[in-house]
Amino acid sequence: ELKVEQNPLFLSMQEGKNYTIYCNYSTTSDRLYWYRQDPGKSLESLFVLLSNGAVKQEGRLMASLDTKARLSTLHITAAVHDLSATYFCAVDRKKTSGSRLTFGEGTQLTVNP
Amino acid sequence: DAGVIQSPRHEVTEMGQEVTLRCKPISGHNSLFWYRQTMMRGLELLIYFNNNVPIDDSGMPEDRFSAKMPNASFSTLKIQPSEPRDSAVYFCASSPGDKTYEQYFGPGTRLTVT
Repeated sequence: ELKVEQNPLFLSMQEGKNYTIYCNYSTTSDRLYWYRQDPGKSLESLFVLLSNGAVKQEGRLMASLDTKARLSTLHITAAVHDLSATYFCAVDRKKTSGSRLTFGEGTQLTVNP
Repeated sequence: DAGVIQSPRHEVTEMGQEVTLRCKPISGHNSLFWYRQTMMRGLELLIYFNNNVPIDDSGMPEDRFSAKMPNASFSTLKIQPSEPRDSAVYFCASSPGDKTYEQYFGPGTRLTVT
């Protein structure tokens, strides 16, 4: 059974600081996704990582994937209050066609002024 | 594009009643997914369809749950009879089936069973 673990689960940080969220998974996969969820809202796709060494950046967020270590990171640079949300990583179980995502528990990020 | 559309957005019902949740995927997407989100269990995949055919329903909790996709633009998730433990947010997502397999989520239906 595929397991996806995120840490930390709760993160409170000051504006302007940097931090990294980690996503570990238990079985081989070449596809990993990061989503953002605001309270009471749906999930918004942030990044799609499709190969070992993939790195994607959007604004203050940067995601990377190391398939050999079964690890993805979401790095936050100079955090701002608007980044406060819950961040999920999700791993695809299958390497062939189709998609069956297993989600991590989510990291609840609070950025304090 | 309007994105994935779900209805109703909120549903409050009494235990034992039948509940039907509806989803319209993004036009042109060939995969559709139903998820359930609760505080205790997080996000769980219930079932997914590819080209209107159910591919994997191993996440459907029990026989009280059923899902259909009669055509490429519509799917339903039915719970009969409903129980308080079914209270959750149910999300529908669709995917274009390209190499990214990226899933786009609908706004969700918040179900409360009393």
